[in-house]
Amino acid sequence: SQQGEEDPQALSIQEGENATMNCSYKTSINNLQWYRQNSGRGLVHLILIRSNEREKHSGRLRVTLDTSKKSSSLLITASRAADTASYFCATALMDSSYKLIFGSGTRLLVRP
Amino acid sequence: DAGVIQSPRHEVTEMGQEVTLRCKPISGHDYLFWYRQTMMRGLELLIYFNNNVPIDDSGMPEDRFSAKMPNASFSTLKIQPSEPRDSAVYFCASSGLDRGGYGYTFGSGTRLTVV
Repeated sequence: SQQGEEDPQALSIQEGENATMNCSYKTSINNLQWYRQNSGRGLVHLILIRSNEREKHSGRLRVTLDTSKKSSSLLITASRAADTASYFCATALMDSSYKLIFGSGTRLLVRP
Repeated sequence: DAGVIQSPRHEVTEMGQEVTLRCKPISGHDYLFWYRQTMMRGLELLIYFNNNVPIDDSGMPEDRFSAKMPNASFSTLKIQPSEPRDSAVYFCASSGLDRGGYGYTFGSGTRLTVV
């Protein structure tokens, strides 16, 4: 069973706009991670946020974590066509921080 | 570093045949994971190793699947006999230590088609 569920399933925006993707999970976590997957390729690690952190930034990426609501969001600012990809959240459970459970993903299309 | 290396990139085989997928993790990473990705089920963790020892194989679908890690630089995932429903992209990933958690580094995957 999947631990994380992303919302929306698909998102289409214009280049330059911001993109926000949400992830909800069910059980307590050690950390939560976001990955990007370009079509036909492997997943690329973007950012990791620990359960005692609330917000983290990396370049144009901003991740928030609300453990009380068991949810996280990924914000990509000033999107580019190259950001077109699928984005997955993955949770590392409290009992085994090395075992990542992936959500269903959000397909992002950035129109030039 | 060349990253996580998987072979072959594509595999087409007939139902009933044995299939072996291979993975070379990043040097120094002591965790290795095998995932399967399908449209219907998304990314599923099949099995993972720590220091070459299988830790959790609860995701392995059935006895037809087996995985080994004979040394720190090589792992295999074998399906015998293969069935059409095994068609998927199989990913290998590795990760370093530190309980704080590091991200995984994924290979490019093996696209398996069983006809």
